Amino acid sequence: EVQLVESGGGLVQPGRSLRLSCTASGFTFGDYAMSWVRQAPGKGLEWVGFIRSKAYGGTTEYAASVKGRFTISRDDSKSIAYLQMNSLKTEDTAVYYCTRDLGAAAGIFDYWGQGTLVTVSS
Amino acid sequence: QSALTQPRSVSGSPGQSVTISCTGTSSDVGGYNYVSWYQQHPGKAPKLMIYDVSKRPSGVPDRFSGSKSGNTASLTISGLQAEDEADYYCCSYAGSYNVVFGGGTKLTVL
Repeated sequence: EVQLVESGGGLVQPGRSLRLSCTASGFTFGDYAMSWVRQAPGKGLEWVGFIRSKAYGGTTEYAASVKGRFTISRDDSKSIAYLQMNSLKTEDTAVYYCTRDLGAAAGIFDYWGQGTLVTVSS
Repeated sequence: QSALTQPRSVSGSPGQSVTISCTGTSSDVGGYNYVSWYQQHPGKAPKLMIYDVSKRPSGVPDRFSGSKSGNTASLTISGLQAEDEADYYCCSYAGSYNVVFGGGTKLTVL
């Protein structure tokens, strides 16, 4: 059974940093791209970015709203994807979902974690 | 990148059919056959219902179908059931390795 479990969320002050982790199981993690999608309280979904599998270079792409501040990485030996969030803003407050990405920017997220809440507030 | 446009709400009675529209531009919905749809129940993670405009993942009932015409994609749910009541989001590739979601549609089963 495919499982994705996010961790690392919490309350953080504006301008500070936070790192989220996504621990995967039930599939060969290294074969898949992984994306992060967020949802502000009471709002819709917003794609944050993704990381390709090593077979496709392990490179990353980001939404304009987070480019230059957020970094996605992966450790295939541990089946973990990371989302490093720097220079956080209040508008980054959201539930952050880790997803398995079938299409690498085609928007095909076939498995989702339960989400972890990040609250940016002073 | 602007969000795709969806109706804020739709409704239907059990057994009826409803269609949710998703309007974009030639730079996203109209330009690629990479439209997907997600169902989200309150407090839960989204679930993939349709991808590549009209393909259904394993386990999704065939009551759910997708289509596209020009810059508008549609999700049709036939034989409405109480458990279909949820929020639905469309999603499209938008070029240059960018992905855009719709604002979401709340489906109420009367």
